[in-house]
Amino acid sequence: GQNIDQPTEMTATEGAIVQINCTYQTSGFNGLFWYQQHAGEAPTFLSYNVLDGLEEKGRFSSFLSRSKGYSYLLLKELQMKDSASYLCVRTGFQKLVFGTGTRLLVSP
Amino acid sequence: DGGITQSPKYLFRKEGQNVTLSCEQNLNHDAMYWYRQDPGQGLRLIYYSQIVNDFQKGDIAEGYSVSREKKESFPLTVTSAQKNPTAFYLCASSISEPYNEQFFGPGTRLTVL
Repeated sequence: GQNIDQPTEMTATEGAIVQINCTYQTSGFNGLFWYQQHAGEAPTFLSYNVLDGLEEKGRFSSFLSRSKGYSYLLLKELQMKDSASYLCVRTGFQKLVFGTGTRLLVSP
Repeated sequence: DGGITQSPKYLFRKEGQNVTLSCEQNLNHDAMYWYRQDPGQGLRLIYYSQIVNDFQKGDIAEGYSVSREKKESFPLTVTSAQKNPTAFYLCASSISEPYNEQFFGPGTRLTVL
C-alpha cells in the first residue's frame, strides 16, 4: 500500500500474544484504522486511533504514536479464528490509504 | 437487519463484455465506495460518492463507471476498456466521508475468461 508498511506474514500459536506493526507517512495524517479480513470476505472494523496512546477493546488493543508515524495492533489470548489478514489504514488528505495487510496464521 | 449487500458473489465474463456489479445498503449512509483488491496489494479506491447524483473518481477509475441515482444503491460497471478486470471488488458505505468507519459488503470476485 502507498506509504504504509506492515509485515506480510506472521505466525503465532493459540493462546499467545502477537503484535502487528505498521509505519506510515506522517504528512497530512489524521487517524489510523485497523481492519480484520478473513480470506475471501469483507474487512471488518477493529479500531480507529486519532490520539497517541493505547486503546484496549477486549482481546485487541491498538497503539498510536503520531510523532513516530507508528501504530501496532496487539492481539492477546490468540484463537484459531484470529487467523486472518489485518489491514492498517491511514487517513489524511480526505482519503483512506490501505496497507497490503499482514496475514496472521494461528496454529494449535 | 441493516447491512450492505453485493451481488453476485462470483462473476465470470468474456473479454470485451461490460459487466455491472450491484451494491445496496440499508444503513442510511450518505457515502459509498468501490474498491478493488488484488493479491499482495492494498485496497485501491475506484470511485466514491458522498451524495445522491454525485460521485468522484478514486485512484484507479479508468475503465470503470458508476451511478448514484438512489441513496441505497451504487452500482459499478466494469467496461471492456478496463485492461485487467479480474479482481475482488468490495463496496463500502459510511455515515459521511471521509474518516468515518466504513462498512464493507461481502465482495464480488470477477473473473474474465
